[in-house]
Amino acid sequence: DAGVIQSPRHEVTEMGQEVTLRCKPISGHNSLFWYRQTMMRGLELLIYFNNNVPIDDSGMPEDRFSAKMPNASFSTLKIQPSEPRDSAVYFCASRAGGTNNQPQHFGDGTRLSIL
Amino acid sequence: EDQVTQSPEALRLQEGESSSLNCSYTVSGLRGLFWYRQDPGKGPEFLFTLYSAGEEKEKERLKATLTKKESFLHITAPKPEDSATYLCAVHAGGGADGLTFGKGTHLIIQP
Repeated sequence: DAGVIQSPRHEVTEMGQEVTLRCKPISGHNSLFWYRQTMMRGLELLIYFNNNVPIDDSGMPEDRFSAKMPNASFSTLKIQPSEPRDSAVYFCASRAGGTNNQPQHFGDGTRLSIL
Repeated sequence: EDQVTQSPEALRLQEGESSSLNCSYTVSGLRGLFWYRQDPGKGPEFLFTLYSAGEEKEKERLKATLTKKESFLHITAPKPEDSATYLCAVHAGGGADGLTFGKGTHLIIQP
């Protein structure tokens, strides 16, 4: 079975540019999570969706960040305008339904560098 | 605020030298504690879920245990391919549905 698929794997762009990260969750999973990983802060939850609906975006650092899930098989995380401090690895994870103690399954991330 | 602290930050072992990694947590109502393995350039890979104190789970050379304040990941007779960063995460109560992660233990197994 295909796992969580993220694109692009690497993104290098200049400050001020718009960045869009993409995620395809595992088929049949109904929860989707976006995390950010840095050396200083580790893995931090940004936002999560249940059945395509955003439930908690309290981890989104600023209004420059936005996330959408237009359907069950696709989500985007957008940063506009981007800043050097946004440089990090961004992970998407999905989880099956039922009890919410099911494990989250992660993609291999997008390594984002803002110059 | 939920907190997860892992120790040590880094650990270097000889092949076959058993040891344990620690994960201490402070949460308001633990619903589950998760262990993940992360290889360089990859996303975290799920290993175990523990739900209640006293519970144990095993997979090959790894065994995870849980008390009311901490979890241990015991690694027995490790091999070089066990080298990775091991992450601990908690799923707490209060309506939040994401995971709170520790910063991980970077484990190196030397042949």
